[in-house]
This record gives sequence, structure tokens and C-alpha cells, in this order.
Amino acid sequence: EAQVTQNPRYLITVTGKKLTVTCSQNMNHEYMSWYRQDPGLGLRQIYYSMNVEVTDKGDVPEGYKVSRKEKRNFPLILESPSPNQTSLYFCASSPHGGGSNEQFFGPGTRLTVL
Amino acid sequence: GQNIDQPTEMTATEGAIVQINCTYQTSGFNGLFWYQQHAGEAPTFLSYNVLDGLEEKGRFSSFLSRSKGYSYLLLKELQMKDSASYLCAVRDILTGGGNKLTFGTGTQLKVEL
Repeated sequence: EAQVTQNPRYLITVTGKKLTVTCSQNMNHEYMSWYRQDPGLGLRQIYYSMNVEVTDKGDVPEGYKVSRKEKRNFPLILESPSPNQTSLYFCASSPHGGGSNEQFFGPGTRLTVL
Repeated sequence: GQNIDQPTEMTATEGAIVQINCTYQTSGFNGLFWYQQHAGEAPTFLSYNVLDGLEEKGRFSSFLSRSKGYSYLLLKELQMKDSASYLCAVRDILTGGGNKLTFGTGTQLKVEL
């Protein structure tokens, strides 16, 4: 089944404890992206990747890191999480960054930082 | 940058038709998407417009006017399961290459009996 998977789905952690949220897609998509979703603010892009080893900042990159060492995986790293990073996170992928290519979203990761 | 506006909430009756509007301001327009998102779930793709006009897909249609920076999503024969948030998203061509997709804050549609 073609899909985007994220792990973990739910995480409660404490300030300053490094964490990684994994994202994997099995559709051979070139483009991958991370979003956070907060009430009243909608989906905001954190980082995106046009292809392997090509990443760029979105609208709200502060406090996050990403890597794209292989096409299928695009992990999101929080080196020192803070309470303002409590949010619902979505990973998404599409065949390419342009054209009519829709983005396929993962199921989401609900992160709480205490 | 981009500015995307859509109503926060709308209510409609089962079986009726509802139109959700989206206005945007952008410098390098390269397409507009509509997504549906049920509470606690991932957004799912509904429609894509890049040229002016109407795109129809079953009970859902989407319209675009690039000159006006305006789009709408039309939902016909509303069903209770259509109660969800509807997200308008605009893609920009970035200086130096690449594309950026920016989402509006979404319109929460409630379908009532």
C-alpha cells in the first residue's frame, strides 16, 4: 500500500531532551516536507526537501533540523525541544515539487513538550 | 510572501450546496490546492487548479480566477461526513528555483440535519 508513515504517533517529553520523529514514504517521491499544525495558525511548513541531500527552510525552521540521506526517509530532529514546539506534526511527500502533484500526508505525530 | 484568507467557520444543511471562498496574494503563483481534513486526521487532497475556470470532480468543484486572486470550493449534495476543515493552499515559484506550498488556516464546515 502506498503510504507515508510517521513514528511515533504520540510523544510526551520534557524540555531539552533530544528527539527524532521519523518519516518514511514508499512511493519513490522526490519531494518531502514537514509541517506543524496549531489551532488558529493552520499548517506551517518547517522544512522541505526537493530530493536526496537537498533540503531547505520553510516558514518556521527555528529549533528543528532535518536530513535527507536517502529518498524514502526524511526525519525531523528537535535537538533541544521547548514547550512552544508542542504541536501536531505532519510529514508529506509528492512525486515532484511542482505541477499538479498533490502532497500525500502521513497520519501525524502529536508532540507534547513539558 | 503569501497571504491566504478563508472564512473560519461555515454551517450548512445536509443535501444543500455550500461554497467556501479563498483569496490569496502571491508573487509567483503556480497552482492552488484544496484539501479536506477531518479532526485529528491527515489532510487529503480534493482538487487542483492552475488555470482559470472550474474543475469538477463528483460532488466537489473548484474554481480559480488568477487575476482576482480568488478560488472557491463548491460542495454539492452535502452529507454529514462532509463535516471537516477545508484547507486552501497556494504554491509559489521561488526565486532561485523550487516551489513552496502555503496553507490557509482552514474553514471548519459543519453539516447539520
